[in-house]
Amino acid sequence: NAGVTQTPKFRILKIGQSMTLQCAQDMNHNYMYWYRQDPGMGLKLIYYSVGAGITDKGEVPNGYNVSRSTTEDFPLRLELAAPSQTSVYFCASSEPPGTGGGYGYTFGSGTRLTVV
Amino acid sequence: AQSVAQPEDQVNVAEGNPLTVKCTYSVSGNPYLFWYVQYPNRGLQFLLKYITGDNLVKGSYGFEAEFNKSQTSFHLKKPSALVSDSALYFCAVRAYSGAGSYQLTFGKGTKLSVIP
Repeated sequence: NAGVTQTPKFRILKIGQSMTLQCAQDMNHNYMYWYRQDPGMGLKLIYYSVGAGITDKGEVPNGYNVSRSTTEDFPLRLELAAPSQTSVYFCASSEPPGTGGGYGYTFGSGTRLTVV
Repeated sequence: AQSVAQPEDQVNVAEGNPLTVKCTYSVSGNPYLFWYVQYPNRGLQFLLKYITGDNLVKGSYGFEAEFNKSQTSFHLKKPSALVSDSALYFCAVRAYSGAGSYQLTFGKGTKLSVIP
């Protein structure tokens, strides 16, 4: 089925380790996003991208990095993992505003990350 | 800055009764408003949106939402709740993030529990 695919679904990291969360979409969406979800805090935007080669910081970018070499893929990199990065991470994609596509986001099923 | 408030962390309603999940917003310009639903261990799913036009918007699974500009509210409603409606509900507003880019800002979420 078309949509947003995130891998892995679960991961446990030790403090100081690094990892990359993968996100791929097959809807040819230009816009892609990374959010983290913490209990009672809603979703916080980490990074977003408006197209291949273009990324920008969101509300909570510290400790993360992204790249966007293709339209389909938008990986999120964690360097030097910390317990504060324990969270559920969601990737999403959308059509650009104004295209008539509805402005809604399509979300992946999430990656649950625990840093110990 | 744009923001969304969901004043209730949890809403309990008996099966068959009408339900309301509240949302208020603050945004510059015309608001583009959304409701998403999240079932346990899943990503967010789009329910409905208000862009322009009729203040009463109908969406998936029998849900509707009423846009009230004077009260800056976008409450989610359903005439008769089902146990299967139990989930986490997020209100969101489209916000301008600079350089011609837009993104969604989410509320903290409201947990809806429908009691059999």
